[in-house]
Amino acid sequence: GAGVSQSPSNKVTEKGKDVELRCDPISGHTALYWYRQSLGQGLEFLIYFQGNSAPDKSGLPSDRFSAERTGGSVSTLTIQRTQQEDSAVYLCASSFGGVNQETQYFGPGTRLLVL
Amino acid sequence: SQQGEEDPQALSIQEGENATMNCSYKTSINNLQWYRQNSGRGLVHLILIRSNEREKHSGRLRVTLDTSKKSSSLLITASRAADTASYFCATDGNMLTFGGGTRLMVKP
Repeated sequence: GAGVSQSPSNKVTEKGKDVELRCDPISGHTALYWYRQSLGQGLEFLIYFQGNSAPDKSGLPSDRFSAERTGGSVSTLTIQRTQQEDSAVYLCASSFGGVNQETQYFGPGTRLLVL
Repeated sequence: SQQGEEDPQALSIQEGENATMNCSYKTSINNLQWYRQNSGRGLVHLILIRSNEREKHSGRLRVTLDTSKKSSSLLITASRAADTASYFCATDGNMLTFGGGTRLMVKP
């Protein structure tokens, strides 16, 4: 079956521009997560959606970052006024439920480069 | 915040040898998971071990968990060049927290 997909796979943008990253979770998965991985670093949690509940935005590094999840499925991560330090791989994951002990399935990521 | 911390940060071995990676964490957990990430690719789930389990096997993978020491180990037996990747441990919660990973290189 189809896994988590993300688009675009690569994005190069100029400093100051806005970017939108898309995530299509596995069908039926109610939980969706966004992470960021800078070069050579571990994963950094950004935001978590679970069903119709208010998202957990505690990992967003600044108010330039926002995310939406429409219809409980597709999610878009938006970065406004991008900075060079935003350059990273942005990974999306989904799981069947948001409770403990649920495996997260990761997409291939979007590699963002801010010039 | 990062909770899992993998050790070593990098490991280079010959094909056929065993590779052991360790992970330590700080707080109580319900489960611990190991993931593999090939260069430029997304994370792939390898194995999940629950807090009431001490050892788990999956193919050439063996995971141990010592909750008293708050540590886990991942053993890959009879390594192959295709095992070359970064390996992450993650602990549970509503979101997983990851360590920096162990970069494993298996030389043919």
